[in-house]
Amino acid sequence: AQKITQTQPGMFVQEKEAVTLDCTYDTSDPSYGLFWYKQPSSGEMIFLIYQGSYDQQNATEGRYSLNFQKARKSANLVISASQLGDSAMYFCAMREGPDRDDKIIFGKGTRLHILP
Amino acid sequence: EPEVTQTPSHQVTQMGQEVILRCVPISNHLYFYWYRQILGQKVEFLVSFYNNEISEKSEIFDDQFSVERPDGSNFTLKIRSTKLEDSAMYFCATRGTDDYEQYFGPGTRLTVT
Repeated sequence: AQKITQTQPGMFVQEKEAVTLDCTYDTSDPSYGLFWYKQPSSGEMIFLIYQGSYDQQNATEGRYSLNFQKARKSANLVISASQLGDSAMYFCAMREGPDRDDKIIFGKGTRLHILP
Repeated sequence: EPEVTQTPSHQVTQMGQEVILRCVPISNHLYFYWYRQILGQKVEFLVSFYNNEISEKSEIFDDQFSVERPDGSNFTLKIRSTKLEDSAMYFCATRGTDDYEQYFGPGTRLTVT
């Protein structure tokens, strides 16, 4: 079974609109962490945001926020006021277990295209 | 802002040859990882390394792969006898003691011909 599921292989969004990228996860461990990474066409992996399973509030980092719905096992990324530079591949990922050195498991990604 | 660096950015090698991919972690980071991404596919975990030993490795990380930190700064991934299917982008990632996030390097694109 997939640990991380991203159901949107590609999305097209008009500049300045808000974007929601979907992510659901599967784990039986009560302690886990959720990540979003951005991969532009140049190939590097850029950390965007982190949410711990015990965090009470949804994580926010500038224009990025993580809509964490624990009961639904969903961790959608919301980008407000999208910009042309947001065009990239976006990966949702999870660390299972309480140890910070646990590996990260990635989803297949969503390719986001921002239209001018 | 400190960053993870990787060399080379691109390596082309013939099947059966040995390659060494190098990573320089952020200076106070103690946890190191290698991941790979075959073109067009998702990022896959290879190995994690802490305190000069492997913490965990995936089924991809077979006897052809090895990691070491030879001089206390570089963190290397060696592939002893490359296969065509080893062609991928290889990412080094590092993490500080108090961090959750793993910081990725820019990657090394390995092409095996």
